[in-house]
This record gives sequence, structure tokens and C-alpha cells, in this order.
Amino acid sequence: QKEVEQDPGPLSVPEGAIVSLNCTYSNSAFQYFMWYRQYSRKGPELLMYTYSSGNKEDGRFTAQVDKSSKYISLFIRDSQPSDSATYLCAMRLFMEYGNKLVFGAGTILRVKS
Amino acid sequence: NAGVMQNPRHLVRRRGQEARLRCSPMKGHSHVYWYRQLPEEGLKFMVYLQKENIIDESGMPKERFSAEFPKEGPSILRIQQVVRGDSAAYFCASSPSGEQYFGPGTRLTVT
Repeated sequence: QKEVEQDPGPLSVPEGAIVSLNCTYSNSAFQYFMWYRQYSRKGPELLMYTYSSGNKEDGRFTAQVDKSSKYISLFIRDSQPSDSATYLCAMRLFMEYGNKLVFGAGTILRVKS
Repeated sequence: NAGVMQNPRHLVRRRGQEARLRCSPMKGHSHVYWYRQLPEEGLKFMVYLQKENIIDESGMPKERFSAEFPKEGPSILRIQQVVRGDSAAYFCASSPSGEQYFGPGTRLTVT
């Protein structure tokens, strides 16, 4: 069993739709949760960085963490064709001086105009 | 504030040659991580370094791979005697403490 599970998609939605992207994880020691966006042949770009359970909002993006269920989500409101990319969830343990990230396989999102 | 820089962006090596990948972290960041992304797979951790120290190399293959982050200059990921299976995108990330910021990657092709 992988530590982090993520549906690879592709997920196709029309422009303006609300997108929901999800990851589950098995290691209850994970403390920090991140979402990255990766365009084709580019480096991952940090979108959201959260620590506690609950919601965090930034513009059209909302990250949700449910530690009791070991489940995290990223919601994109009013999706745009420019949101078409691969979305990677990532998480890490708590350590004073940083630690490696464990990534999901990524979900391919396609927003059609 | 320049982001994480990696060079070269593309590298072609024949089997048996050495590949040397460079990473300059963001200004003020003292933590450097290397990840590898194989086609159709997510990113896999390789090694975590601070200046002059390897902190965690649990993701590094036991042979042919090495990494360093000297007191001066960029971090280097070195792959000796490359094989076709080493073809991948190699990403470097830097961090001030928690969140990690990635560079554009080096795409290694072994022919």
C-alpha cells in the first residue's frame, strides 16, 4: 500500500466548474500538507501549505485537511483553462529542521473552454 | 528574489558516462532536497542536505549516486556510469524551514 494515494485522472471539467481533488494517506504521523501544481515539463509550484485540520483559503483555492479520516482535498472555484495541469498532494512528518516530502502520483486536470 | 535555479535544463548522456546536475537554492535557504520524477510517476525523495552535510539520503540508490552541498557554490547531484533507467526529471527544492520551493528541473536522457 502506498503511503499517499491520489487518483491519477484525468479529470475533465468545463470552464467555471468547481473542481475537487483528493488524497488519502496511511501514516497518521504526517503533520504538514501541501498542494503543488505542475505544468507539463515544468517544476512543481507550491499552491497551498497547511498544518492543522480544517480549511485554508487563498483566492480561488481552498485546502481542506481531515486528520481523523487521513484525507485532504483541494477545491478550485471558477476553474479556468489555465488551471489545466497536474496537481500533486504532498505531506511530511514534523521535524525541527525540515523533512522529505511524500507525494501522491498526481491528478491530471483538464479545464475545457 | 530569484527562485531555485537548476542547470542544465536538459542533459543527454551515453550509457556509462557521468551526469552532473547543479542546484542553486533561493537566497537565504539553507536546506536543499533532490527528487526524481520518472515518466507517469510522482516525485520520489532522494536526498536532503544542508551546507556541507548530508542529513537524509534514505532515497538515494546505494551505488553510482552521490550528492553534495559545499560551503560555497551550488548543490551537486552526481550520477556515475549512467544507465537507461536513470532517464528522468530531477528536481531540486530549497526551504527556509518547512515549505519547499522547486526549481524547473533537469531532464536527463540516457542514450
